[in-house]
Amino acid sequence: SQKIEQNSEALNIQEGKTATLTCNYTNYSPAYLQWYRQDPGRGPVFLLLIRENEKEKRKERLKVTFDTTLKQSLFHITASQPADSATYLCALGFSGGYNKLIFGAGTRLAVHP
Amino acid sequence: DTGVSQNPRHKITKRGQNVTFRCDPISEHNRLYWYRQTLGQGPEFLTYFQNEAQLEKSRLLSDRFSAERPKGSFSTLEIQRTEQGDSAMYLCASSSSGGGYEQYFGPGTRLTVT
Repeated sequence: SQKIEQNSEALNIQEGKTATLTCNYTNYSPAYLQWYRQDPGRGPVFLLLIRENEKEKRKERLKVTFDTTLKQSLFHITASQPADSATYLCALGFSGGYNKLIFGAGTRLAVHP
Repeated sequence: DTGVSQNPRHKITKRGQNVTFRCDPISEHNRLYWYRQTLGQGPEFLTYFQNEAQLEKSRLLSDRFSAERPKGSFSTLEIQRTEQGDSAMYLCASSSSGGGYEQYFGPGTRLTVT
């Protein structure tokens, strides 16, 4: 069956450390993968997109990797801050599919001072 | 432009009633999506419009659900004969076919069916 799995338990880290979130998928062949941030009671906010032919993307303190052989993406936040506390969602996108997204359940990140 | 807006932000209704939600996308975006999100889950795709044409519908969208985008601008999502299982956050997103693949989400409408 098709699945997208993200760490189901909350990730608690200390301020200043690097947070690493995982997204694994089964029986999908995405053309690209996106990461979104969602705060309680709000809609998701786009962070980064990585295509199937890209290994790594960076944006400021964010880095995402994409391994289509392992069917896995890793999302890193370096020098984390309490303001980074939120739920992070990965989403798969497909070519020729009108760009609808298939989302994982998300991982809640809590950064402690 | 201030982004995607949705109204109302919250709706409480009794089982069996009809409800309608509105989404105003970013003005230059021709693609519009509706998703549904329940607690602890990611958004689930419901339907997609390109301009005024509804091009894809999820099997999640039963015959009690209907969506329109009459002039290719705002969209409405109507749920008829609501059930308790319809309680969820309904999210609207828009994007541009001429841009990247990122989607811009509104704040959502939280529906509670009692």
